[in-house]
Amino acid sequence: EVQLVESGGGLVQPGGSLRLSCAASQFTFSSYSMNWVRQAPGRGPEWLSYISGGSRTIYYADSVKGRFTISRDNANNLLFLQMNSLRAEDTAVYYCARGVVTADYWGQGTLVTVSS
Amino acid sequence: QSALTQPASVSGSPGQSITISCTGTSSDVGGYNYVSWYQQHPGKAPKLMVYDVSNRPSGVSNRFSGSKSGNTASLTISGLQAEDEADYYCSSYTSTNTLVFGGGTKLTVL
Repeated sequence: EVQLVESGGGLVQPGGSLRLSCAASQFTFSSYSMNWVRQAPGRGPEWLSYISGGSRTIYYADSVKGRFTISRDNANNLLFLQMNSLRAEDTAVYYCARGVVTADYWGQGTLVTVSS
Repeated sequence: QSALTQPASVSGSPGQSITISCTGTSSDVGGYNYVSWYQQHPGKAPKLMVYDVSNRPSGVSNRFSGSKSGNTASLTISGLQAEDEADYYCSSYTSTNTLVFGGGTKLTVL
């Protein structure tokens, strides 16, 4: 069974930074595109960023462009999201999800809280 | 990219059928057969129930079915069961190579 496990969330002050990680297993990680998706309390999911299997293609949502950076380490089956200049409205559960046109598997999420 | 539009809530009795709508634009729902539906129980991650408008992943009950007409997609759940009570979200691939989600529909099984 595909497994995705996020880590790195926590409490951070406005303007601060966090780096999220997603450990993938039980599938050939390098062959799959990956996404970061977040969900604020009581809201629907919001797609944030996409990275192709070989990291050649990367997309961002306008809401995070210039502040967040997606990357991956295929040798160690890891996906990352570097988040800078964090704002209160970035508070959410952050999920990694596999796929291109469909996010077919999701991790359990990691909570990021931006507050002073 | 604006979120897809879903009704805030729907309800039905056990054994009945319900349908949840998801309205987008020609740049997402109407332009691609890449509509997905997710089920989310409280505190859990979303689970894929339907992909490519009407396909079910292995292990998903055939009580769940999807369709699309123009810019509106629909999820139908037949033979409602108590465990179907959850939040449901639609998603679509878009013309800007992104994914867009709906605001969610809370299903209550009466």
